Amino acid sequence: QKEVEQDPGPLSVPEGAIVSLNCTYSNSAFQYFMWYRQYSRKGPELLMYTYSSGNKEDGRFTAQVDKSSKYISLFIRDSQPSDSATYLCAMSPGGGNKLTFGTGTQLKVEL
Amino acid sequence: GAVVSQHPSWVICKSGTSVKIECRSLDFQATTMFWYRQFPKQSLMLMATSNEGSKATYEQGVEKDKFLINHASLTLSTLTVTSAHPEDSSFYICSAKAGGDNYGYTFGSGTRLTVV
Repeated sequence: QKEVEQDPGPLSVPEGAIVSLNCTYSNSAFQYFMWYRQYSRKGPELLMYTYSSGNKEDGRFTAQVDKSSKYISLFIRDSQPSDSATYLCAMSPGGGNKLTFGTGTQLKVEL
Repeated sequence: GAVVSQHPSWVICKSGTSVKIECRSLDFQATTMFWYRQFPKQSLMLMATSNEGSKATYEQGVEKDKFLINHASLTLSTLTVTSAHPEDSSFYICSAKAGGDNYGYTFGSGTRLTVV
């Protein structure tokens, strides 16, 4: 079993839809949770980050962490074609340790 | 914000030759750098972690003699793929992190290596 599980998709939604992306994990030591967006043939860029459990909102994006269920989510409201990319969840115990990534979910927002 | 510059963005080389990829942190000191490999439509696979002035720590299954990593300064790390073969063709991405920041993993734009 992988430490971090993420549905690879592809996920196709119409413009304006609310998108829900999720990851589950098995390592209870993970404290820091991140979402990265990666466009084709580019490096990942940090989108959202949260510490421990709770919600965080930034514009159209909301990140949620439920440590009791070992489940994290990223919500995208009013999705746009420019949101089409691969979204990777990542997490670490902190202290400069390496990130553990999910496989990434490919999202396509269609006009 | 933090910027990591990775060069070259793409390279084609012949089998048996070596290729060097550079990763520079432009506006911060990177105490730790990570090197990843990514296959099409797959996630990032960590190859090694390097701390400035120390030997790199390689992940299980990664040949340290084939993938040479040097992190001689706080702003530069290099990955050299030695005696490259077609199966080494992949997308290589570096990430740099300043000390004390639990979220500050900044990624380079990646290098697409094709070995012919």
